[in-house]
Amino acid sequence: GAVVSQHPSWVICKSGTSVKIECRSLDFQATTMFWYRQFPKQSLMLMATSNEGSKATYEQGVEKDKFLINHASLTLSTLTVTSAHPEDSSFYICSARSANTGELFFGEGSRLTVL
Amino acid sequence: LAKTTQPISMDSYEGQEVNITCSHNNIATNDYITWYQQFPSQGPRFIIQGYKTKVTNEVASLFIPADRKSSTLSLPRVSLSDTAVYYCLVGEVLTGGGNKLTFGTGTQLKVEL
Repeated sequence: GAVVSQHPSWVICKSGTSVKIECRSLDFQATTMFWYRQFPKQSLMLMATSNEGSKATYEQGVEKDKFLINHASLTLSTLTVTSAHPEDSSFYICSARSANTGELFFGEGSRLTVL
Repeated sequence: LAKTTQPISMDSYEGQEVNITCSHNNIATNDYITWYQQFPSQGPRFIIQGYKTKVTNEVASLFIPADRKSSTLSLPRVSLSDTAVYYCLVGEVLTGGGNKLTFGTGTQLKVEL
């Protein structure tokens, strides 16, 4: 079946550094990808919708300068957490919608820990 | 976007059938109902999707009444490995489109021996 790969699966960084998380659709093209954040024992919260070749659409309350999203190709979207702080520590999950079938597939998530 | 309401948690025993009901009173005409399963520290995994009446696949059944204001996910003969959070999502499905899916609180299912 279709696979969405996230990398890294986990990352630890120091406060103030920037971290990039990649989301790749491995065997299909995705015109739209979504980024979610999930805190412990909470539901997934949609952060932004990214469309290939255009600017991402951010949900209310999500700082676009803090969470930079780039969707440069039909198989890759990246989320960069800039100047990370401990409160940014979370589980980040992406999903990708197949350009062919419209089906939605989720990645395995990336756990960010900011010290 | 249609809001969903599910029980926060449910307990069951191995071998039993589990039914998780989701309310979505404001579901729109174009909305589909999709259920996902999530294990700790993993991404959500698709279980089943439907529009109306009944849908069945190899892992679950989805029952949707005529008014579509609710849906019930049925897991036959659960096992310990079915312990997870189950999310009911409602959203418009557009082939190649960009509709977003909003997650509700989900239902934590705990299966015991």
